[in-house]
Amino acid sequence: DTAVSQTPKYLVTQMGNDKSIKCEQNLGHDTMYWYKQDSKKFLKIMFSYNNKELIINETVPNRFSPKSPDKAHLNLHINSLELGDSAVYFCASSPSQNSPLHFGNGTRLTVT
Amino acid sequence: AQSVTQLDSQVPVFEEAPVELRCNYSSSVSVYLFWYVQYPNQGLQLLLKYLSGSTLVKSINGFEAEFNKSQTSFHLRKPSVHISDTAEYFCAVSDKGAGNMLTFGGGTRLMVNP
Repeated sequence: DTAVSQTPKYLVTQMGNDKSIKCEQNLGHDTMYWYKQDSKKFLKIMFSYNNKELIINETVPNRFSPKSPDKAHLNLHINSLELGDSAVYFCASSPSQNSPLHFGNGTRLTVT
Repeated sequence: AQSVTQLDSQVPVFEEAPVELRCNYSSSVSVYLFWYVQYPNQGLQLLLKYLSGSTLVKSINGFEAEFNKSQTSFHLRKPSVHISDTAEYFCAVSDKGAGNMLTFGGGTRLMVNP
């Protein structure tokens, strides 16, 4: 069984659209994250979510919003998509502070 | 603020040769250090980590890394690589007081040739 699963795996959409990426973890972890990997493979933290506490990377535009319906899910909503949003988005989870992260396989978003 | 520098974007090597992937970091506080590996079209997997204690840490597949505080480095080494080690390797650091908010380096692509 996949520990951290993301859907969809690929997402192609036009500028200006609103889209969502879903993430689910079946590990019972308390903390979930979203990372963005750009075309140069550089990875950057976007959000960390733990017991309803959201920690936001201040460089993330407010067009991006994480939503957590329960502890096992952390979805990423993106409004008014821009060309620069094209990247691979990774969801991750961890059981506690300073524990290793478990990553999903990524969602490749292409904005045309 | 923290930063991680991986000096080599690509490292080509022949099978069974030794390899070292370099990682240097900067931070004003104590840190935890990690190496993650990313195989094609997959997510990142933890390879090894340094939290405290012995500065030499090892993985189950023959990789090791040594934390050098004076040089602020955490280089990854393997004495003999296999074709299956071909992947992207990411060094990462987290502030001991900031949980798992990892800062990643730019990655090093290890290419093992027969």
